[in-house]
Amino acid sequence: DADVTQTPRNRITKTGKRIMLECSQTKGHDRMYWYRQDPGLGLRLIYYSFDVKDINKGEISDGYSVSRQAQAKFSLSLESAIPNQTALYFCATSQPGINYGYTFGSGTRLTVV
Amino acid sequence: AQSVAQPEDQVNVAEGNPLTVKCTYSVSGNPYLFWYVQYPNRGLQFLLKYITGDNLVKGSYGFEAEFNKSQTSFHLKKPSALVSDSALYFCAVRRSTSGTYKYIFGTGTRLKVLA
Repeated sequence: DADVTQTPRNRITKTGKRIMLECSQTKGHDRMYWYRQDPGLGLRLIYYSFDVKDINKGEISDGYSVSRQAQAKFSLSLESAIPNQTALYFCATSQPGINYGYTFGSGTRLTVV
Repeated sequence: AQSVAQPEDQVNVAEGNPLTVKCTYSVSGNPYLFWYVQYPNRGLQFLLKYITGDNLVKGSYGFEAEFNKSQTSFHLKKPSALVSDSALYFCAVRRSTSGTYKYIFGTGTRLKVLA
């Protein structure tokens, strides 16, 4: 099993619909992140959480919300999806400290029509 | 402003030839630099990092990177490319904001190794 699992892998939804992307991890890491990837823009941070009671906005949080249900689970919601939220979404985990790299999930490809 | 630049959208190299994927950075203070690789339909995988010490850093799959402070660069290299190295490569710098460290990612460079 993957260390960081994202569901669904692919999703097509209509404008205005609410959608939730889920992330679970078996790494035992405290820190979890949501990124979106767009061609030519690299990865941009949406939200991050350093523990269950800690939620922080990233650089592009507008239109998104998150929930950290447990140490191992971090969900990203689009309350009312719009076409420019079509992107590849990644969840990542890490331990504290500058030395640690991130462990990424395989991504969710979201298309808003 | 702190940033990471990957000047090439795509790099083509013949199998068996050396490869270089370029990265330059702009940060205040000491840079903490990383390379990640993304294979098709997969998440990013950590390749290597420079925190301090030796300027030549060795990582996974035979890759290495050279930190050059005067040129503010952290280019990824491999002496002999394999077709299986074809992927999207991201350079990233970790920066401190209000006491926490977060990544700034470059825009990515697609490496194509031709048989």
